[in-house]
Amino acid sequence: GESVGLHLPTLSVQEGDNSIINCAYSNSASDYFIWYKQESGKGPQFIIDIRSNMDKRQGQRVTVLLNKTVKHLSLQIAATQPGDSAVYFCAGESGGSYIPTFGRGTSLIVHP
Amino acid sequence: SAVISQKPSRDICQRGTSLTIQCQVDSQVTMMFWYRQQPGQSLTLIATANQGSEATYESGFVIDKFPISRPNLTFSTLTVSNMSPEDSSIYLCSVRQARGEQYFGPGTRLTVT
Repeated sequence: GESVGLHLPTLSVQEGDNSIINCAYSNSASDYFIWYKQESGKGPQFIIDIRSNMDKRQGQRVTVLLNKTVKHLSLQIAATQPGDSAVYFCAGESGGSYIPTFGRGTSLIVHP
Repeated sequence: SAVISQKPSRDICQRGTSLTIQCQVDSQVTMMFWYRQQPGQSLTLIATANQGSEATYESGFVIDKFPISRPNLTFSTLTVSNMSPEDSSIYLCSVRQARGEQYFGPGTRLTVT
């Protein structure tokens, strides 16, 4: 298996700022990564994914960066809004397992 | 996409009893999973629910404690047996179609007293 961990348990930002959530992984065989958002009382929701043959992928207001050299990925949220307040999880998979290993989670708090 | 519903959404149970959680998906899916999430924690995979055969359990989880059924491609149940307070958690059903997006149900919040 692999371990996937997050550097900071809580991140507080002001509305309109850009947010960066970091994640480290241990398994160099990991080849697929996903970011999830979990709002209070709900199940995790897929945000964006990235395969190991890429180092950057952009979505709507979100960008995921992957650095395989140091086994690190990040989720960048542009112009953070109060609705972005949630816990964010990274997850990684390897070898076509289809079973992601989830990181610890970072709580993003957006102040209006 | 897939829409997943779970029943019950929450329950308070006495130790020693069992609770069966239902998961219903609005479309046929290849893979179904059951996760546990303790308050403020990450997700831990309990098992993969296999249609027509026994579930595949992760280390630390056994069939006697968490029996799972999956009679078809849209429905599964997870039973938490002989409950103790340590089983208090959120139980999440999840589905996936190959290496695509993984969807989660809203969760069942279980409290064991």
